[in-house]
Amino acid sequence: GAGVSQSPSNKVTEKGKDVELRCDPISGHTALYWYRQSLGQGLEFLIYFQGNSAPDKSGLPSDRFSAERTGGSVSTLTIQRTQQEDSAVYLCASSLMLTYRDNNSPLHFGNGTRLTVT
Amino acid sequence: SQQGEEDPQALSIQEGENATMNCSYKTSINNLQWYRQNSGRGLVHLILIRSNEREKHSGRLRVTLDTSKKSSSLLITASRAADTASYFCASHSGGGADGLTFGKGTHLIIQP
Repeated sequence: GAGVSQSPSNKVTEKGKDVELRCDPISGHTALYWYRQSLGQGLEFLIYFQGNSAPDKSGLPSDRFSAERTGGSVSTLTIQRTQQEDSAVYLCASSLMLTYRDNNSPLHFGNGTRLTVT
Repeated sequence: SQQGEEDPQALSIQEGENATMNCSYKTSINNLQWYRQNSGRGLVHLILIRSNEREKHSGRLRVTLDTSKKSSSLLITASRAADTASYFCASHSGGGADGLTFGKGTHLIIQP
């Protein structure tokens, strides 16, 4: 079946512009995650959704970052007034997380959006 | 502080040899997971080992977990060129996604 889909795959934007990144998770996966990966680095957790709600937003780097999920499916990550330090690959993942404490569901990742802020 | 620190950061071996990567973590965990990432792609889940397990196998992969040393190792036997990728461990220390912490990864190169 279809995996996690992210769009666009690449985005080049000017400093100060807003960008919107989209994630379409695997059908039926209730949990959705956003991570950021800088060159040669590990993954930085940003936010996750259980259904449409985001229990913990503390991973978002600043108030310029926001995310929403509607209908328990597609999610968008919005970065306002982009800065050069926002340049990174933004990865989305989903999992079949049946309950909040179900921590044994592996994550399924999309191929990411490579964001370059000039 | 960063959980899930992989070691070495980079590893280059000949095709057919075995590759061993290590991971250390700092707090108690519920499980530890290993993922692979090919260049320009997302991460792919390889194997999950629970805190009450000591060893797990999947095909050419063997994972061990030593909770007393807070460490795990991933062994890839009879390596192939297609195994060239970055490998990440992710330790899960609590409920929810905020309890899953990824390391910086080991970049493995298999030379034909």
